[in-house]
Amino acid sequence: DIQMTQSPSSLSASVGDRVTITCQASQDIRNYLNWYQQKPGRAPNLLISDASSLETGVPSRFSGSGYGTDFTFTISSLQPDDIATYFCQQYDNLPSFGQGTRLEIK
Amino acid sequence: EVQLVESGGGLVKPGGSLTLSCAASGFTFSNYTMNWVRQAPGKGLEWVSSISGRSTFIYYADSLKGRFTLSRDNANNSLYLQMNSLRAEDTAVYYCARDFDSHFDLWGQGTLVTVSS
Repeated sequence: DIQMTQSPSSLSASVGDRVTITCQASQDIRNYLNWYQQKPGRAPNLLISDASSLETGVPSRFSGSGYGTDFTFTISSLQPDDIATYFCQQYDNLPSFGQGTRLEIK
Repeated sequence: EVQLVESGGGLVKPGGSLTLSCAASGFTFSNYTMNWVRQAPGKGLEWVSSISGRSTFIYYADSLKGRFTLSRDNANNSLYLQMNSLRAEDTAVYYCARDFDSHFDLWGQGTLVTVSS
């Protein structure tokens, strides 16, 4: 099984800050890496697929990069509506998720 | 409207059984692989199982050890998860999710399963 190590587990930042979350796969997953946002009491919502493809309707302040084993998710300028937990997911073989990053406003 | 609606959750005793359903609408259900993903209270996401469009391929997380069975009825646009020998650690919100090109692009609202005596 492919393990996903996501960090940090929690993050506190100010409105307007640049926020970065990383995800490392236990083996090469090419670009089969997705990022989801989950707000409390809601289902996850796909933000980025294939490591860097922004889903339709997702604000351009969200971005993703990486290939192979190391991936990065960035919010260029944090907004209050971005308060949520973020998960990476690999789908090179059977899917698996990172542990999540809980993002809070400082 | 394109949506997934789960049902069937509830309180069940350890060792008991439960069947979850997911009703799909607004898209050609048989064209998509479908999945169940669960989330224990306050925890992260765990992939449970997936089934291809024509039920040719069915996969399960190793942690389930043969207790769950996934099936689908394309004529009725429905997905089912039969869960047997339930344990306290199976307590979670269960989401069904549509698989589009190796990412989950549509999720239901979830149904809560609580395993407790």
